[in-house]
Amino acid sequence: NAGVMQNPRHLVRRRGQEARLRCSPMKGHSHVYWYRQLPEEGLKFMVYLQKENIIDESGMPKERFSAEFPKEGPSILRIQQVVRGDSAAYFCASSPDRRNEKLFFGSGTQLSVL
Amino acid sequence: GDSVTQMEGPVTLSEEAFLTINCTYTATGYPSLFWYVQYPGEGLQLLLKATKADDKGSNKGFEATYRKETTSFHLEKGSVQVSDSAVYFCALYGGATNKLIFGTGTLLAVQP
Repeated sequence: NAGVMQNPRHLVRRRGQEARLRCSPMKGHSHVYWYRQLPEEGLKFMVYLQKENIIDESGMPKERFSAEFPKEGPSILRIQQVVRGDSAAYFCASSPDRRNEKLFFGSGTQLSVL
Repeated sequence: GDSVTQMEGPVTLSEEAFLTINCTYTATGYPSLFWYVQYPGEGLQLLLKATKADDKGSNKGFEATYRKETTSFHLEKGSVQVSDSAVYFCALYGGATNKLIFGTGTLLAVQP
């Protein structure tokens, strides 16, 4: 039973480019969460999705960031026109139900913006 | 709003030393409390949890007791090993928000 899979592990982008981060939840999990870990800070909640629905996006920046979790395929976190401040580790987690008190985390994507 | 405060690191210890990492929280109601561990290059893993006051969570020699009166959930281990070197995150679930809220993390470095 594979865990939460994130790819790529490392992503390098130049300012102004787009970044796409992918997350495949654990088998049987239909709830996905994205967290961002900035240097010297803890994990900050970004967005919570179920299949084809965004449930809570209160932690998402208002511009340039979007997320989806289609009926088929992985969840995607998309950052348009990246800036240096977007450099961070982005973690995806999944859970089998709405109560997210026990999350299973992926190994993260380290985004570096040059 | 709900929040978690944990001691700043890094915490540097010699092997077999006693470990305490402090964690306090602010939340409405009665949240569940957690410690997660992040080993180098990996994602977070649940280490232990407690769901109500006076509960003690334990795993791999680590322990933490849910103290409602002091709103704390300090992590302890009697004898650390080099392999315990990692970042430890205190977290809460419940309260005013339906999401897992993390502290800033504490880096533990254990030297042989």
